Amino acid sequence: SAVISQKPSRDICQRGTSLTIQCQVDSQVTMMFWYRQQPGQSLTLIATANQGSEATYESGFVIDKFPISRPNLTFSTLTVSNMSPEDSSIYLCSVPKGDTQYFGPGTRLTVL
Amino acid sequence: RKEVEQDPGPFNVPEGATVAFNCTYSNSASQSFFWYRQDCRKEPKLLMSVYSSGNEDGRFTAQLNRASQYISLLIRDSKLSDSATYLCVVSRGGTSYGKLTFGQGTILTVHP
Repeated sequence: SAVISQKPSRDICQRGTSLTIQCQVDSQVTMMFWYRQQPGQSLTLIATANQGSEATYESGFVIDKFPISRPNLTFSTLTVSNMSPEDSSIYLCSVPKGDTQYFGPGTRLTVL
Repeated sequence: RKEVEQDPGPFNVPEGATVAFNCTYSNSASQSFFWYRQDCRKEPKLLMSVYSSGNEDGRFTAQLNRASQYISLLIRDSKLSDSATYLCVVSRGGTSYGKLTFGQGTILTVHP
C-alpha cells in the first residue's frame, strides 16, 4: 500500500493569487499524478509528475496554470496559479502500486 | 460522448436489497477496469478490479464485457455502510499506466 499526505487540507483564496499544494508519499514511487475533482463532478487527470523532467499535461491543462514540481521520488507539488472561482475544486495526488491507485486525502480549494 | 458513462442515480435501496450499477466505456483500447468507492468528502478507494472472467469479493460481483464495452457491479444484501458514490474507472495501461479515466459516479443510499 501507499500512505499519502497532502498539505494544506483546505484553503480559501482570493482570485488572482496562487496556491501550492504539497503531496508526500511514504515510499519511493516512480509515477505520481495530480487529479482535480470539481464540485459535483468526478475526477479528471491534470498531469503526470515526472521525477527529473517536466510534467506531462493532459488536454485542457497547461504548465503556466498548473506548474508541477517533482524533486524526488516521494514528493511533488502542484501550484494553481492566478486563481479564479472556476478553480474551486478538490485537488488530489495519486500513485499507482500494482493494480491499485492510491489517492491522497485531497486539498479542498475555494476561490472567492 | 464521455469516455466512461454511468447512471448517476441516485439509487435509494433498503437494507438487504440487491442493487446493480452499469457502466459503458468508449475507448476500445482500454485495458484495465475498476470500481472505486468514494465516501462523502473522502478520496476514492479501490473497491475491486474487474476482469473478463468476472470476479467476486464477498457481497460484491463485478463483470466485464469487452465486446459490448460494458462493466457492471452487483451488490447483494446491501448494508447501511455501502452508502457511497461508486465510480467506474478505466485505464489504457501500457504507457498510460496510472492514468485513470473516471465515470461521473453512481450515488447509492442504503436506508434502514
